[in-house]
Amino acid sequence: SQQGEEDPQALSIQEGENATMNCSYKTSINNLQWYRQNSGRGLVHLILIRSNEREKHSGRLRVTLDTSKKSSSLLITASRAADTASYFCATGPYNNNDMRFGAGTRLTVKP
Amino acid sequence: NAGVTQTPKFRVLKTGQSMTLLCAQDMNHEYMYWYRQDPGMGLRLIHYSVGEGTTAKGEVPDGYNVSRLKKQNFLLGLESAAPSQTSVYFCATRDSAGDTQYFGPGTRLTVL
Repeated sequence: SQQGEEDPQALSIQEGENATMNCSYKTSINNLQWYRQNSGRGLVHLILIRSNEREKHSGRLRVTLDTSKKSSSLLITASRAADTASYFCATGPYNNNDMRFGAGTRLTVKP
Repeated sequence: NAGVTQTPKFRVLKTGQSMTLLCAQDMNHEYMYWYRQDPGMGLRLIHYSVGEGTTAKGEVPDGYNVSRLKKQNFLLGLESAAPSQTSVYFCATRDSAGDTQYFGPGTRLTVL
């Protein structure tokens, strides 16, 4: 079953605005990762945050993790049309090191 | 380096036909995964392998078989395709020392 659930399912913003996506999960994790998927392509890893970290930055990306609430957020600042994609959170590892992916947030950035 | 490649990119099958999807990687990663992606469902793990000669079931293994005879290749087989197996299939790899998964471009399969 899916572990992470992203919210919202879809988000539409103007170029230059910030985009925030949330991920909630159900059981204890070792790490949480965010991936991006452009239409018709495979997923690309964006950023990883470990369970003992609260915030992490990478370029225009900022990820937070609240293990007490079992939730994470991904903030994309100063969005660009090229940021248009689906964003997935993945939590784990479970069993023999597999990760569980949510259903994703579809982000549209209008020029 | 090609990274992770998948063959074929598209395929249309009739119910009951069989086929094999090939995933190849040149990153020398130990772990390999097969996922299916359906609208509104995210990615679901079908089977995975933690090394050459080993395979294990994931979340949705029924109707699929896999083999990892060589470290660089992970094959996903459908013995008797069903319409419910219409999906986009992704292969991914991971180094045993890391947490990041590297994905192939996907195979879009339609079963009529």
